[in-house]
Amino acid sequence: QKEVEQDPGPLSVPEGAIVSLNCTYSNSAFQYFMWYRQYSRKGPELLMYTYSSGNKEDGRFTAQVDKSSKYISLFIRDSQPSDSATYLCAIRGTYKYIFGTGTRLKVLA
Amino acid sequence: NAGVTQTPKFQVLKTGQSMTLQCAQDMNHEYMSWYRQDPGMGLRLIHYSVGAGITDQGEVPNGYNVSRSTTEDFPLRLLSAAPSQTSVYFCASSYSWGAANTEAFFGQGTRLTVV
Repeated sequence: QKEVEQDPGPLSVPEGAIVSLNCTYSNSAFQYFMWYRQYSRKGPELLMYTYSSGNKEDGRFTAQVDKSSKYISLFIRDSQPSDSATYLCAIRGTYKYIFGTGTRLKVLA
Repeated sequence: NAGVTQTPKFQVLKTGQSMTLQCAQDMNHEYMSWYRQDPGMGLRLIHYSVGAGITDQGEVPNGYNVSRSTTEDFPLRLLSAAPSQTSVYFCASSYSWGAANTEAFFGQGTRLTVV
């Protein structure tokens, strides 16, 4: 079983839609959860960082962690064409970041 | 600040050749790492370093060597290139692994093709 599982998509939505991106993980000891955004032919950039369970909001983005079900989510409200990218969930393990495979998102104008 | 700088951006190698991918950061980060990114496989850790003089293997270390003689630099050496090493390579650094809110800063990547 992979440590982090993520639906690869691709996901196409119209501009203005609410987008939900999800990952599951296997190790209940994980405490730090991240979402990275990666534009085509670029390196990943940190979008959201969450410690333990709960929600964290930053503008149009909300990160949610449910440790009881080992589920992490990223919600994008009022999605824009500029949000078109690959979104990677990541977990901080022991001396390493463990990444999901990434979900490709395309927001259509 | 330049952040994390990787060179070269693109490289084509013949099978059996060796080369070094360069990574430098100017943020005084203790932790540095190398990942490879392949379609459907995500980012996989090759090697990492928690400080100058200390390196360790990640998930897919075979065929790669690293060293960390300075805080700033963390080169990745391909010993004898194979087509299976065709990938996009990313270097990432973090302030300190022991710090709570520490994020990984990534370079722009090196696209390597082995023919």
